[in-house]
Amino acid sequence: DAGITQSPRHKVTETGTPVTLRCHQTENHRYMYWYRQDPGHGLRLIHYSYGVKDTDKGEVSDGYSVSRSKTEDFLLTLESATSSQTSVYFCAISGRGLASGRDEQYFGPGTRLTVT
Amino acid sequence: GDSVTQMEGPVTLSEEAFLTINCTYTATGYPSLFWYVQYPGEGLQLLLKATKADDKGSNKGFEATYRKETTSFHLEKGSVQVSDSAVYFCALSKAAGNKLTFGGGTRVLVKP
Repeated sequence: DAGITQSPRHKVTETGTPVTLRCHQTENHRYMYWYRQDPGHGLRLIHYSYGVKDTDKGEVSDGYSVSRSKTEDFLLTLESATSSQTSVYFCAISGRGLASGRDEQYFGPGTRLTVT
Repeated sequence: GDSVTQMEGPVTLSEEAFLTINCTYTATGYPSLFWYVQYPGEGLQLLLKATKADDKGSNKGFEATYRKETTSFHLEKGSVQVSDSAVYFCALSKAAGNKLTFGGGTRVLVKP
């Protein structure tokens, strides 16, 4: 298994509070991703990173920001949490080789976030 | 934009039955295609992949063939077990960062 951990694994927070989720990898993979999983939607990409300090938006980026100050850590921040951000969040990594589109992604165990 | 469509579940089967999960995609260029599996309470694991037309991916008795002419990547297994109960996701990726586009997932329940 790829060495990916996510913290916290579960979190309950109130509307309007900031929340930061952490993804940590020990594989030295170049690319890191944040997805959210919701019933009927599969997984949707929030943000991704193609290197330290290099990030870009995915399809559902509104209300989220990310940072990557070192290869192994990718942080997802909800600046002001809303109930619509209640979801399961997955981190993934890829990029052992070139960005050919052929590299599979390895997923972390997920963080279940509930915004009340 | 790119998209993946897969059959809705749940799919309920008896042990040793044949499983097919349909997946079709819309994409420009030549995407790579993947099947991921998610067991209860866990993250996604890669099940198999195919990177060009007519490639067949296989793993743990599951198979899928990349059909460019029908833009499909159907997942099959000849004899399912209770342990195959999970949610299965079809996905595609292209160059520029290996970003994945997922289908909605198909829940499979295998009964003894």
